[in-house]
Amino acid sequence: GNSVTQMEGPVTLSEEAFLTINCTYTATGYPSLFWYVQYPGEGLQLLLKATKADDKGSNKGFEATYRKETTSFHLEKGSVQVSDSAVYFCALNSGGSNYKLTFGKGTLLTVNP
Amino acid sequence: DTEVTQTPKHLVMGMTNKKSLKCEQHMGHRAMYWYKQKAKKPPELMFVYSYEKLSINESVPSRFSPECPNSSLLNLHLHALQPEDSALYLCASSLDATGLNSPLHFGNGTRLTVT
Repeated sequence: GNSVTQMEGPVTLSEEAFLTINCTYTATGYPSLFWYVQYPGEGLQLLLKATKADDKGSNKGFEATYRKETTSFHLEKGSVQVSDSAVYFCALNSGGSNYKLTFGKGTLLTVNP
Repeated sequence: DTEVTQTPKHLVMGMTNKKSLKCEQHMGHRAMYWYKQKAKKPPELMFVYSYEKLSINESVPSRFSPECPNSSLLNLHLHALQPEDSALYLCASSLDATGLNSPLHFGNGTRLTVT
């Protein structure tokens, strides 16, 4: 079956530090890959996505590249801000007639001023 | 602002109560979902509606009863819940149910406490 493994948190950084959150996956076929972010007290928001190998998703300074050879989709940002403090979920969907998103366990990021 | 609206934001109910959670979207999406999220965990899928028909029920107990009156509305009827059902209930929608190029849009959830 499908699975997503992402680095366990919590991750604590100072403002303007470089961020990497690792995500690897196991899936049949050619999944689409996503990063969702959940700010405190809110639902999940789609941060970025990639639908095929070598695609790079980007949004709000965050980037992730779909690496089929390493089955990875690591999230990066060059300079984090306090407002980036949230829980980040890596997820995949392998499509089909019924939609079922497989989430990683989530990584809590705290950015200190 | 989220384009998926959930009401109420918070709900406290006793184990003998009957209540309903509501979800609404006006993006023309034809798939709608209920998820349950416990603290510090990822969301767990409960139900999927595709074109107003129930297409996935993830073996959810019958005390949770979904309803999709039309393509914009999704309800979750609650009856005789247990304290362990306390969680954040998230509604989501997507353009269709294949998901290949149709990511989920989530509401901000209803925080449910069962006493």
